[in-house]
Amino acid sequence: DADVTQTPRNRITKTGKRIMLECSQTKGHDRMYWYRQDPGLGLRLIYYSFDVKDINKGEISDGYSVSRQAQAKFSLSLESAIPNQTALYFCATSEGGSYEQYFGPGTRLTVT
Amino acid sequence: GENVEQHPSTLSVQEGDSAVIKCTYSDSASNYFPWYKQELGKGPQLIIDIRSNVGEKKDQRIAVTLNKTAKHFSLHITETQPEDSAVYFCAASISSGNTGKLIFGQGTTLQVKP
Repeated sequence: DADVTQTPRNRITKTGKRIMLECSQTKGHDRMYWYRQDPGLGLRLIYYSFDVKDINKGEISDGYSVSRQAQAKFSLSLESAIPNQTALYFCATSEGGSYEQYFGPGTRLTVT
Repeated sequence: GENVEQHPSTLSVQEGDSAVIKCTYSDSASNYFPWYKQELGKGPQLIIDIRSNVGEKKDQRIAVTLNKTAKHFSLHITETQPEDSAVYFCAASISSGNTGKLIFGQGTTLQVKP
């Protein structure tokens, strides 16, 4: 089984809708991250969490919120989706004190 | 703020040739530089990394070199094979605080022609 899983893998939604992307991990890592990937822009950090009570904004957090429900679960929400949030979204994990990050398979989100 | 520039954005080589991807970074305190490979429909996967206390690291057909003075590092793939075709990302650690954060380059799409 995959160590980092993301659901859904693909999602099409309409402008203004609320949507949640979920991430689960079995690696036992403390740290979890949400990135978005756009062509030509690489991976940009949206939010990161060191543990259930420690959540921090990344470089592009506007329009997004997160919830760390447990050590193994980290969800990303778009409260009111807009077309320029169409992108690939990746969850990643790392051990505390390590820079090595392990990525999930991604969610392709399309906002029409 | 911190920045990582990656070149080229696309690279096409013949099978068996070498491929080189280059990155420059802005934060002189960065000390960890990983390379990720992303195959179609999958998440990025760590393939090699280097820390600031070494200048070169090799793992079979892939190698990474680091020039801290010039703040650039490169990925070298020798004897390329079609399965090397993918998007490659470089990254650099962000030094402020013990955050474990990385900043990524823009990505290079490598095509290896059989």
